[in-house]
Amino acid sequence: AQKVTQAQTEISVVEKEDVTLDCVYETRDTTYYLFWYKQPPSGELVFLIRRNSFDEQNEISGRYSWNFQKSTSSFNFTITASQVVDSAVYFCALSAGGGADGLTFGKGTHLIIQP
Amino acid sequence: SAVISQKPSRDICQRGTSLTIQCQVDSQVTMMFWYRQQPGQSLTLIATANQGSEATYESGFVIDKFPISRPNLTFSTLTVSNMSPEDSSIYLCSAGDRGVYTDTQYFGPGTRLTVL
Repeated sequence: AQKVTQAQTEISVVEKEDVTLDCVYETRDTTYYLFWYKQPPSGELVFLIRRNSFDEQNEISGRYSWNFQKSTSSFNFTITASQVVDSAVYFCALSAGGGADGLTFGKGTHLIIQP
Repeated sequence: SAVISQKPSRDICQRGTSLTIQCQVDSQVTMMFWYRQQPGQSLTLIATANQGSEATYESGFVIDKFPISRPNLTFSTLTVSNMSPEDSSIYLCSAGDRGVYTDTQYFGPGTRLTVL
């Protein structure tokens, strides 16, 4: 069975601070895929990143970066110099078949960026 | 990336009635899925909508309660049957594909359902 744990229910920081959202996963599959999605107050789910289990390279996209460590089964997400527009619920998700398979979601982390 | 639309965007329904939600993708996709997001909760997979065959349901979800159709590679419907207030949720459809550059899953805007 697959499981995704996002232990941080809510994080509140002041604008321009850096913030890291934690994601720990469990799976018996040797090949798997990890995702991060953003859900702003409007409710729409916005795709941020997909990472394959055989690619442990960290990724940076603007102010966003992701740290994938198979040794600790973690896929953490860092926002540098946070902005108010980053306020949202962030979900980490896992699948065995990439986009062609149903996703198992964590409970989400509600990120609040205060001006 | 695939663009997905859903209709209706929201609805308020009476207990015991049924609602059919439509999901349209702007391009042909291999896989379509339906998820439920209960208030303040995470997303839970309801079923995989298979084109030309019966949907594959996850544990805890049954066809009689959530019948699904997928007549072609761009369209699917989810019906929430004999609704009760516990069915009040956001229902989201998603589309996914398998491939080197397209191996991800995109979501529709969701249908916000309130059952009175």
